[in-house]
Amino acid sequence: SAVISQKPSRDICQRGTSLTIQCQVDSQVTMMFWYRQQPGQSLTLIATANQGSEATYESGFVIDKFPISRPNLTFSTLTVSNMSPEDSSIYLCSVEGVGVHEQYFGPGTRLTVT
Amino acid sequence: AQSVTQLDSQVPVFEEAPVELRCNYSSSVSVYLFWYVQYPNQGLQLLLKYLSGSTLVKGINGFEAEFNKSQTSFHLRKPSVHISDTAEYFCAVSGPDNTDKLIFGTGTRLQVFP
Repeated sequence: SAVISQKPSRDICQRGTSLTIQCQVDSQVTMMFWYRQQPGQSLTLIATANQGSEATYESGFVIDKFPISRPNLTFSTLTVSNMSPEDSSIYLCSVEGVGVHEQYFGPGTRLTVT
Repeated sequence: AQSVTQLDSQVPVFEEAPVELRCNYSSSVSVYLFWYVQYPNQGLQLLLKYLSGSTLVKGINGFEAEFNKSQTSFHLRKPSVHISDTAEYFCAVSGPDNTDKLIFGTGTRLQVFP
């Protein structure tokens, strides 16, 4: 398995500002994923991030709102831009295990936008 | 397109009783199936997965699930639950390609009472 850390663990932000969430993995991985979990809801995939290429966004998510960086095989960032209260969610990163068909999840970042 | 249905949003049960959490999926191709657990204020932890082979899959914490292709189901069971099993449980599906995304169900809240 992989050990994943996220920073910050939680934050309260004002509308109109941006927040960058960091995801660090203890081993090199090819695929990293960013999910959003709105209050009381299931997880929705925002985008898939491969090292060295542009992130692939799911329907309903755009790069201008959720820019992603993937500078190396152990690190990624997700920025939530121009935030509104509707962006209040838990944001989780995950990685695909090497040679195994399963994803490992970070502890999440709980974002509240006021 | 793949989808996952968890019909029960909440399942209350008394401690030491058996429990079954239901999951049905739809897909036109072979799939991989997963159950994740999310304890309060934490990320997701993989309970078990079905990739191929035996249809009865055993996971951590005494949980097991049975893949039923004819009924397109992957129900999660535990013969005797503990208070500590109180959590949100998510069923998820992905395709056989490593790059396929996880599609999550809406989750089932298991509440274990003393």
